[in-house]
Parts: sequence; C-alpha cells; structure tokens
Amino acid sequence: ETGVTQTPRHLVMGMTNKKSLKCEQHLGHNAMYWYKQSAKKPLELMFVYSLEERVENNSVPSRFSPECPNSSHLFLHLHTLQPEDSALYLCASSQVGLTSEQFFGPGTRLTVL
Amino acid sequence: RKEVEQDPGPFNVPEGATVAFNCTYSNSASQSFFWYRQDCRKEPKLLMSVYSSGNEDGRFTAQLNKASQYVSLLIRDSQPSDSATYLCAVSLNSGYSTLTFGKGTMLLVSP
Repeated sequence: ETGVTQTPRHLVMGMTNKKSLKCEQHLGHNAMYWYKQSAKKPLELMFVYSLEERVENNSVPSRFSPECPNSSHLFLHLHTLQPEDSALYLCASSQVGLTSEQFFGPGTRLTVL
Repeated sequence: RKEVEQDPGPFNVPEGATVAFNCTYSNSASQSFFWYRQDCRKEPKLLMSVYSSGNEDGRFTAQLNKASQYVSLLIRDSQPSDSATYLCAVSLNSGYSTLTFGKGTMLLVSP
C-alpha cells in the first residue's frame, strides 16, 4: 500500500452508535490531520498530531475523539453523533520541519441517521 | 472577512482556453501556499506548491503576490480532464502545517 489509506470508505450510523475511522500513512511522515468536508463549506481542520502528540483541536465537539497510537496510524472515534455531522472525513499527513505539503487519504463518507 | 477566499465559479471554458483563478488570504503572516485539485467525491490532490518566485509545471503556472495577499493559478490549453474544483490552501508554517482552505473554484472544460 502506498500513500494514505482510510477505512471504511463509507459509513452509515445511527445517532446512538459508536464507530471508529482509521487512517494509515505509508509515507514516513510524522504529522497527521483530520479534516471535515461538508457540502458548500471549505475543508475544516479538526485535529493535528505532530510527533504523536495532539497539537491542535479546533473546537471540535467531544463526540469526536482522536487517537494517534504511532506516527503511521490515526483514529477518529465517533459516538452519539448528530445528523449535521454527516460529511466527508479526510485524513492527511505531512513531514514536520520540511515543506508544509499535506497528502490526503480518500476519505470516509459518513452519514448519520 | 474569510481567511481564504476564492470565486466559486463555475468557470465554463472550451477546450484549449486559458483560464486563471485567484485566491486572496487575510493573514499576512502566511508563509506557504498551495493549489490542490479535487475531483467530485474524491480527496484533494496536491497540484503544486506556490513559491514567492512563482513556479510552472507544464500547462500550470502559479504566482504569489504577498504585498496584495493573493495567489493565482493559470491553466493554459485547458483540457476536459482539467475539469475539477481547485482549492487554494495557505499555511502559517508552524513546524507542522496548519492549512486553511478556500471553498474552491469549479472549472468545467467542454470538448
């Protein structure tokens, strides 16, 4: 596998479910990001992990909980979501200290019923 | 004022046309600038980084004007395969990169 992979690619969940999104990067990067993309809105940065530490949390509700067990893996744990949380969730990675170029995974399209 | 602004379009152009997009940003401390391409229901893909001296990659040319705080992308001899949404992204370069994206400009190139 190369680049950034995400699973699942599609997810439908009820408001009371708990699910997790997984991201894995095979680029040797040391920073990872979660973004949310809703219709007619720009990409919104949710969380940043740099060198496995969470360095940014952009006022994201606590029903979204990130986890970064190592520099190659990133999770987004979801619980008691709302229908307005339906969106495309994108993971990205970059190398700290060189350029700022971020590379994205294919995303998970989430629908909350 | 929005941090990164782009004309949403769509820009409808015939094949072979030259088309230009602008992107303005509000934070004068911004250090890094990028253009991404996003196809419908797909992830953004890095098209090019934008350097202060400008840069060119084939039919694509990017320019940066820090004094006026805008970034531009020029596509020459546009092809139907160039049809996509073009996202401008700006970073403050704080070690890791915190990209702020515009909403994107949609381009439709007709054969």
